[in-house]
Amino acid sequence: GESVGLHLPTLSVQEGDNSIINCAYSNSASDYFIWYKQESGKGPQFIIDIRSNMDKRQGQRVTVLLNKTVKHLSLQIAATQPGDSAVYFCAERAGGTSYGKLTFGQGTILTVHP
Amino acid sequence: DAGVTQSPTHLIKTRGQHVTLRCSPISGHKSVSWYQQVLGQGPQFIFQYYEKEERGRGNFPDRFSARQFPNYSSELNVNALLLGDSALYLCASSYPGGNEQFFGPGTRLTVL
Repeated sequence: GESVGLHLPTLSVQEGDNSIINCAYSNSASDYFIWYKQESGKGPQFIIDIRSNMDKRQGQRVTVLLNKTVKHLSLQIAATQPGDSAVYFCAERAGGTSYGKLTFGQGTILTVHP
Repeated sequence: DAGVTQSPTHLIKTRGQHVTLRCSPISGHKSVSWYQQVLGQGPQFIFQYYEKEERGRGNFPDRFSARQFPNYSSELNVNALLLGDSALYLCASSYPGGNEQFFGPGTRLTVL
């Protein structure tokens, strides 16, 4: 069945450090992957996405890496700031008839200490 | 531009009651999806609607139903509420053929 999971439920870093959040997925049919940030009391906020035909994509201070061989996804945040503190979710889309369905992982709590 | 809006923000119901949650997508978005997020977990897909038709359904009982209106807004209905239905209900909208789903702030439902 489909599942998306995270290796580490919590991550604490110092301000200015780089953060890496990891995610494993099991559905080889997934064609699209997204990272979301969710702050307390808010809905998930889009951070960055990547298609399955890519292995790396960069945004502003964030980079997503996709390794289809081992079904692994990671989010790298450069120069982490206190405002980056939130829960981070990876999500996958299976494509085909499941086009609109996103399957989310359990989330990683990122805490940034000043 | 306004993002996805949801109402109400919070809701308290008792077991056995029914509830209706509402969602207005971003202007120009024709697809709406509903997710349930239990505390401490990631969102779980419930429904997707596009052009007023159900295009996808998650593993939820028939007590959950939804519909989409001609203006692309949507309602999620839950009948015979159970304690386990307590969760944050999220609505997301997307462009026709678009990949990115934009989420609203959610409705926090508490069932007592």
